[in-house]
Amino acid sequence: GNSVTQMEGPVTLSEEAFLTINCTYTATGYPSLFWYVQYPGEGLQLLLKATKADDKGSNKGFEATYRKETTSFHLEKGSVQVSDSAVYFCALSQGAQKLVFGQGTRLTINP
Amino acid sequence: GAGVSQSPSNKVTEKGKDVELRCDPISGHTALYWYRQSLGQGLEFLIYFQGNSAPDKSGLPSDRFSAERTGGSVSTLTIQRTQQEDSAVYLCASSPGFATRGGYGYTFGSGTRLTVV
Repeated sequence: GNSVTQMEGPVTLSEEAFLTINCTYTATGYPSLFWYVQYPGEGLQLLLKATKADDKGSNKGFEATYRKETTSFHLEKGSVQVSDSAVYFCALSQGAQKLVFGQGTRLTINP
Repeated sequence: GAGVSQSPSNKVTEKGKDVELRCDPISGHTALYWYRQSLGQGLEFLIYFQGNSAPDKSGLPSDRFSAERTGGSVSTLTIQRTQQEDSAVYLCASSPGFATRGGYGYTFGSGTRLTVV
C-alpha cells in the first residue's frame, strides 16, 4: 500500500539557518504530494502541495519539489524564523482517496 | 459553511461510556475523512466517506468505532464503551471529491480532543 516516510525529529535549529526535512514515499501511479503544518495549539493547515512530477510547491518561503525518480518531496526553507516552530507532516493522496501521512517532524527554532 | 466545523472541541468522558463526535464539512464537499492523532503520534486514518457511503473504513481500530454520514453532509463518529487508549484528538477533513486545477483540496477542522478518564 501507499506510505510516507519522514525524517525523524525533533529538529532544532537557530534562527536564519537553512532547513531541510526529508520525505520519501511509496505509491503506485502518480500521487499528489503535500506538506501540512501544525502550529502549537492549532489545527492542521496545508502548507504546500504538488500534483505531478517536477512540480514545485511553495508558500511562506518553504519549497518542495516532486521528484518521481527518487520518490521524494523534501521540504526546504532558506532562512527559518522562530515562528516556523511547529510539527510538519508530509502526505500523499491518490484521487479523492484518503491522505496518507508521515509520522511528523517537530521543528523548534531558537532565537 | 466557510470551514470544517467539529463539535465538541473538548470532551471528557468516563471509561465505558459512549461518545459521539460531530463533523460539519464545507458545503458541497462530497468527500469526508476522519483521522485520529494520539499524543506524540502521527495522523491515523479512520474512515472515508464519498457521499453517504464509506468506501474505505479500513482504519477503524475496533468494532467499538462506527461512523455515519447522512444527507451527504454532517458525519458522526461514535465510540462505544470508551477506553483510555481512545484518548486522542479526532480530526475531520472534507474535500470536493474531484480534482480541480490545484488537485484535491482537503480542509481540516480544528478537531475534538477526547479524554477518557
